[in-house]
Amino acid sequence: NAGVTQTPKFQVLKTGQSMTLQCAQDMNHNSMYWYRQDPGMGLRLIYYSASEGTTDKGEVPNGYNVSRLNKREFSLRLESAAPSQTSVYFCASSALSGTSVYEQFFGPGTRLTVL
Amino acid sequence: DAKTTQPTSMDCAEGRAANLPCNHSTISGNEYVYWYRQIHSQGPQYIIHGLKNNETNEMASLIITEDRKSSTLILPHATLRDTAVYYCIVRTQGGSEKLVFGKGTKLTVNP
Repeated sequence: NAGVTQTPKFQVLKTGQSMTLQCAQDMNHNSMYWYRQDPGMGLRLIYYSASEGTTDKGEVPNGYNVSRLNKREFSLRLESAAPSQTSVYFCASSALSGTSVYEQFFGPGTRLTVL
Repeated sequence: DAKTTQPTSMDCAEGRAANLPCNHSTISGNEYVYWYRQIHSQGPQYIIHGLKNNETNEMASLIITEDRKSSTLILPHATLRDTAVYYCIVRTQGGSEKLVFGKGTKLTVNP
């Protein structure tokens, strides 16, 4: 199992450009999440999807859109990138395990720079 | 979800136990204590969680005070690879599965 994969690993954009960050998980998890992490800070939730077909805003959703394409894939789109969106983006997934643990599994991150 | 307070940084000698404290004085009865760690900009990794009893797994032990207002994560024999930022998070089980990360504790294990 690859777990949670993210593409691309690095990206540089100019202000105003758009792009989509891709995330996929092969653990048959129902829930998926997008976080951002700015230097020296903890992670902040952008959007999440509790199950296929549903999405909800997190703490910092402005400037982003998401699509839960199917159970495996959850993409994050920046329509018009701004320098304030320079960050490391992490995707995660989770499911209720046999021990009732909502453990979240994280991907390796996408490092985005907006010039 | 309740807020948590953790020291900004801690040091520990390799081979010794690392004890990482967390205060969560406003925790409610249905909130669990979770610990995650993040090694050098990798994605966070789940360590352990508990409600009110002490818990132990292959990675660590979690000690929760009787009044549940604080807890301690114990790494019994810290290694250099345990150098990371450790996050203490309190949240309800079920319902919203969102994690609210603070700034965590930067643990440095020294040789």
